[in-house]
Amino acid sequence: DIQMTQSPSSVSASVGDRVTITCRASQDINIWLAWYQQKPGRAPKLLIYTASNLHSGVPSRFSGSGSGTDFTLTISSLQPEDFATYYCQQASTFPQTFGQGTILEIK
Amino acid sequence: QVTLKESGPTLVKPTQTLTLTCTFSGFSLSTNGVGVGWIRQPPGKAPEWLALIFWDNDKRYSPSLRSRLTITKDTSRNQVVLIVTNMDPVDTATYYCGYQGRRVRGVYFVDYWGQGTLVTVSS
Repeated sequence: DIQMTQSPSSVSASVGDRVTITCRASQDINIWLAWYQQKPGRAPKLLIYTASNLHSGVPSRFSGSGSGTDFTLTISSLQPEDFATYYCQQASTFPQTFGQGTILEIK
Repeated sequence: QVTLKESGPTLVKPTQTLTLTCTFSGFSLSTNGVGVGWIRQPPGKAPEWLALIFWDNDKRYSPSLRSRLTITKDTSRNQVVLIVTNMDPVDTATYYCGYQGRRVRGVYFVDYWGQGTLVTVSS
């Protein structure tokens, strides 16, 4: 299985801050990576697919980049509703695998 | 509008078989490029992808759970069923079904998720 490693595991930030989360794959996955947002007690929601494409309805302050093994999710100006847990997922090879998650907390 | 909803028992005993049903609307599982997958998430942990069934009845399974999983579809009823045999307390998790539509190069992400159903395994 392809291992997905996210960093940091948690980050504290303030409204208006710029935040970057990274995800590293254990082997080349091209651009076949997605980012999901999950709030407590809720299902994950797709934010970004194929590394950099915004899913329908996702605000433009979210952006993704990367290819191969290294990827980033950036939130340009944090809003109160962005405090949540973020997961990356590779879809290059079955079984699809997720990172361990990054908790974004309010400072 | 794509919606999915999981249903099934909330409590099962060790060694029992779990049967979960995903009922969906807003798309057809007979449409080329469409799939429905199952993902679970133990409390406080990351999601774990389990299985995926495609419009053409092709299937993919997590190798680590392959011997215990069966995924089937009923296109006319807009339902997908996941069967998990020999349940164990470590299988306690929220189980989600999700719409996985084909992107470029035959890649499938989980575009939409159901609300999930918590299944507890305990005697």
